[in-house]
Amino acid sequence: DGGITQSPKYLFRKEGQNVTLSCEQNLNHDAMYWYRQDPGQGLRLIYYSQIVNDFQKGDIAEGYSVSREKKESFPLTVTSAQKNPTAFYLCASNPSGGGHNEQFFGPGTRLTVL
Amino acid sequence: KQEVTQIPAALSVPEGENLVLNCSFTDSAIYNLQWFRQDPGKGLTSLLLIQSSQREQTSGRLNASLDKSSGRSTLYIAASQPGDSATYLCAVRENTGFQKLVFGTGTRLLVSP
Repeated sequence: DGGITQSPKYLFRKEGQNVTLSCEQNLNHDAMYWYRQDPGQGLRLIYYSQIVNDFQKGDIAEGYSVSREKKESFPLTVTSAQKNPTAFYLCASNPSGGGHNEQFFGPGTRLTVL
Repeated sequence: KQEVTQIPAALSVPEGENLVLNCSFTDSAIYNLQWFRQDPGKGLTSLLLIQSSQREQTSGRLNASLDKSSGRSTLYIAASQPGDSATYLCAVRENTGFQKLVFGTGTRLLVSP
């Protein structure tokens, strides 16, 4: 089955720790995205990557970092510089070729700061 | 700046009713509009994608319309079922800058048996 997987499903972080959220897709999509979802707010874009070895900041990139070394993988690191990291994190992907494409989402990772 | 609004924020209906969810956006410079379903604690499931040149799309009991000039979309659900209970999100894909999706805050639907 083709799709997007995210791990872990739940993640707990202590103050001052960096944590990495995994996102893997086997859809052969070029573009991948990370969003953050908070209660009562729409999804907000953290980072996106249109192609391997290239990525761009989204609207709320401060305190986050990413890498795109393989087409199928786009891990997100939440650093200690992110002051309010407790949220639901969603990874998404779509084919290349411009903005007409449908975007698909993974099941999400819920991050809680202890 | 693109803003997407969904009304109502919550909706409760008895099983079998037909219902309409509304989505409005402020900037008509879009590639497409996508409707998603989200169950509690889960990711987003894509329901329908309407390109900017299209007026509507249908999938089973779902029908979505798009009026780009007025900045409006509706999602029509026919003969609602308890399994339709979820949060429904709309998002527009901008055709400028990041070409990102801009999301509304969703409509939480409860269908009672």
